[in-house]
Amino acid sequence: GQQLNQSPQSMFIQEGEDVSMNCTSSSIFNTWLWYKQEPGEGPVLLIALYKAGELTSNGRLTAQFGITRKDSFLNISASIPSDVGIYFCAGQSKPGASGSRLTFGEGTQLTVNP
Amino acid sequence: SQTIHQWPATLVQPVGSPLSLECTVEGTSNPNLYWYRQAAGRGLQLLFYSVGIGQISSEVPQNLSASRPQDRQFILSSKKLLLSDSGFYLCASGKQSYSYEQYFGPGTRLTVT
Repeated sequence: GQQLNQSPQSMFIQEGEDVSMNCTSSSIFNTWLWYKQEPGEGPVLLIALYKAGELTSNGRLTAQFGITRKDSFLNISASIPSDVGIYFCAGQSKPGASGSRLTFGEGTQLTVNP
Repeated sequence: SQTIHQWPATLVQPVGSPLSLECTVEGTSNPNLYWYRQAAGRGLQLLFYSVGIGQISSEVPQNLSASRPQDRQFILSSKKLLLSDSGFYLCASGKQSYSYEQYFGPGTRLTVT
């Protein structure tokens, strides 16, 4: 089946630093989504990307849909302690496929030291 | 916007006992519904999805089953739990359109002892 390679697996940063993480695939995706999950809670959708080359921001978060359609990037600027959590990328590769299933990356665990 | 409810929030069950987890959705109609399992806080494994009442697709062979008795109700069940069924179970809802966004519930933490 399809796989998304998400990196890094974990990050330990100081408050105020910028963060970058990415997802790559050997297959083309038509939609990229980025989620954040805090301990004991369900993932929350942060950003959705639908066009190759698209760059979308949500506050201090910026995500890009790679031009090759095989990758996506998430950047967090000026990190704060509440940015702690696991960030997941997800992709959809088959428009109209039954159930609109997503493929998820394994997540990036972000720790922010005050 | 959609709101997904799950209960119970936590559950401790002995091996061999039955299971029923419930998910209900507000704020949308005719959604696609999904059950995921997450082990050790990483990686979401899709277990079942449903595109309509009574329509269930299973992604992996397992000890669990799912049902959708109403448009916005999705139930995850087992007749006899195994230790390996422990995990964090998440219900998600998505629109039946070209928007592939899925919205997750708060999850149920299941511990099988």
